[in-house]
Amino acid sequence: GQNIDQPTEMTATEGAIVQINCTYQTSGFNGLFWYQQHAGEAPTFLSYNVLDGLEEKGRFSSFLSRSKGYSYLLLKELQMKDSASYLCAVRENYGQNFVFGPGTRLSVLP
Amino acid sequence: DTEVTQTPKHLVMGMTNKKSLKCEQHMGHRAMYWYKQKAKKPPELMFVYSYEKLSINESVPSRFSPECPNSSLLNLHLHALQPEDSALYLCASSQDRWEGANYGYTFGSGTRLTVV
Repeated sequence: GQNIDQPTEMTATEGAIVQINCTYQTSGFNGLFWYQQHAGEAPTFLSYNVLDGLEEKGRFSSFLSRSKGYSYLLLKELQMKDSASYLCAVRENYGQNFVFGPGTRLSVLP
Repeated sequence: DTEVTQTPKHLVMGMTNKKSLKCEQHMGHRAMYWYKQKAKKPPELMFVYSYEKLSINESVPSRFSPECPNSSLLNLHLHALQPEDSALYLCASSQDRWEGANYGYTFGSGTRLTVV
């Protein structure tokens, strides 16, 4: 089975940097995904990590440490539109579906 | 076309009704998924179709019946639902279940279902 943990809620200020952590315990590991979901909308793929290290995509970066079962999503230059839920998802084995963590609701304040 | 289209966007149905949710994609993806999402909760996997064959059924009650008529279409037939089945139902697709690195599922915008 899988156990994926994220903070439930976070608040940050427009223009700031925020780091959303995700820890996981799984019997196998074949990739970690981050999704953004605005209220009432579909999740949108943000990033994918399968090797240790940092993946950068514009204002968003994702980091993975497989030995620690740990990932984070880093959002820079926060904008009001970044207010959303951020879902961490882990795939245990190649070819299998992944399982979502509980999600972190981020509120960006002016 | 890089979208997954779901219809209807909203559905209200009685517990004795029969209805269907529809999902369509024209990206050539060969894996399609149904997820259920309750408010403020993450999506939960219901079914996975791979090359038009059901490959995963996550112990979903028989009142939910999936169907994959062809590689572009995925239906979810609903019958005798309960009020607790009210949720956002999301369809997603991917190239296939064994894709390599740097892919993600493409989700549809969902059908918000209310059972009364």
